[in-house]
Amino acid sequence: EAQVTQNPRYLITVTGKKLTVTCSQNMNHEYMSWYRQDPGLGLRQIYYSMNVEVTDKGDVPEGYKVSRKEKRNFPLILESPSPNQTSLYFCASSSGQGAWNEAFFGQGTRLTVV
Amino acid sequence: AQTVTQSQPEMSVQEAETVTLSCTYDTSESNYYLFWYKQPPSRQMILVIRQEAYKQQNATENRFSVNFQKAAKSFSLKISDSQLGDTAMYFCAFIPGGYQKVTFGTGTKLQVIP
Repeated sequence: EAQVTQNPRYLITVTGKKLTVTCSQNMNHEYMSWYRQDPGLGLRQIYYSMNVEVTDKGDVPEGYKVSRKEKRNFPLILESPSPNQTSLYFCASSSGQGAWNEAFFGQGTRLTVV
Repeated sequence: AQTVTQSQPEMSVQEAETVTLSCTYDTSESNYYLFWYKQPPSRQMILVIRQEAYKQQNATENRFSVNFQKAAKSFSLKISDSQLGDTAMYFCAFIPGGYQKVTFGTGTKLQVIP
């Protein structure tokens, strides 16, 4: 089954404790992205990757890191989480430029930073 | 930078009736793609419909259709014969051709009333 898998689905952590949210896709997609969703703000792109070792900033990259060492994985790293990073996070993958109709989203990760 | 505006935070419609959700965008790009995504209470992001800017014909997918007005930079979604399962948050999204930097609107919460 084609899917994007995010883990964990829910996470409560404390300020400053480094964490990683994993994202893996089994469709051999080149393009992967991370978004955060906040009430009244919609989804905002954090980072995206167009291929292995190729990443670029989205609209809200501050406080986040990503890496793309393998095609299937695109982890999101919060080195020192803060309460303003409490949000719902989505990972997505797609097959190619302009082929966004093949975009697949993960189930989301609800992160709370206290 | 691109902007996407959804001016209707909430809407409601009677079951079996038709409803139109509005979306406007601003861009200097000539080649781009527009999308509507549905997010039911399960939080899953589901692609509803897409439109390529170079195509004049409005996209349709079963009960869902768009009214794409390129000159006015408008991209509204029409849902015909509304069903209870259409109750969800709907997001309009913009992606420039050749990029993966996606911009989402803030969303419209649609309630279908029995």
